[in-house]
Amino acid sequence: QKEVEQDPGPLSVPEGAIVSLNCTYSNSAFQYFMWYRQYSRKGPELLMYTYSSGNKEDGRFTAQVDKSSKYISLFIRDSQPSDSATYLCAAGNYGQNFVFGPGTRLSVLP
Amino acid sequence: GAVVSQHPSWVICKSGTSVKIECRSLDFQATTMFWYRQFPKQSLMLMATSNEGSKATYEQGVEKDKFLINHASLTLSTLTVTSAHPEDSSFYICSARGQDTYEQYFGPGTRLTVT
Repeated sequence: QKEVEQDPGPLSVPEGAIVSLNCTYSNSAFQYFMWYRQYSRKGPELLMYTYSSGNKEDGRFTAQVDKSSKYISLFIRDSQPSDSATYLCAAGNYGQNFVFGPGTRLSVLP
Repeated sequence: GAVVSQHPSWVICKSGTSVKIECRSLDFQATTMFWYRQFPKQSLMLMATSNEGSKATYEQGVEKDKFLINHASLTLSTLTVTSAHPEDSSFYICSARGQDTYEQYFGPGTRLTVT
């Protein structure tokens, strides 16, 4: 079992839809979580980072962590074609190397 | 967010030559830097982790004599691909993490093509 798993997609949604991107992780000791967006042929861009359980909101993006089920989510409201990218989640602990998921490819159709 | 740059963004070299890729943290001190490799439509593969002033720690299966990593300062790490072969052609991405923080910031990547 991989430490961090994501559905690779592709996930296609119409413009304006609410997008839900999800990851599961196996190590219950993980306390820190990050979401990245990667456009084709570019480096990943850090979108959000969270500690432990709970929600964090930033504009159209909401990150949610449920440590009891080892499940992390990224919600995108009012999705735009410019949100079309690969989204990677990462989990780990302070001072340690983070484990990255393989990424979910998202296409937002105009 | 913090800014990490890479140079060059794209390089073509002949088989058997060496190529150096630079990774710089522009607005913070990177105590730890990471080097990844990514094939088209595939996930990031961690190659090595380096702490400033220390030898890099390589992931299993990564040849340390082929992929030389130097992290000589808190703002610069270099990856040298020695005696490059066509199978080394890939997208190489670095990331950096500052002291007392857990967020990792990625560079824009370097596309290496070996002919």
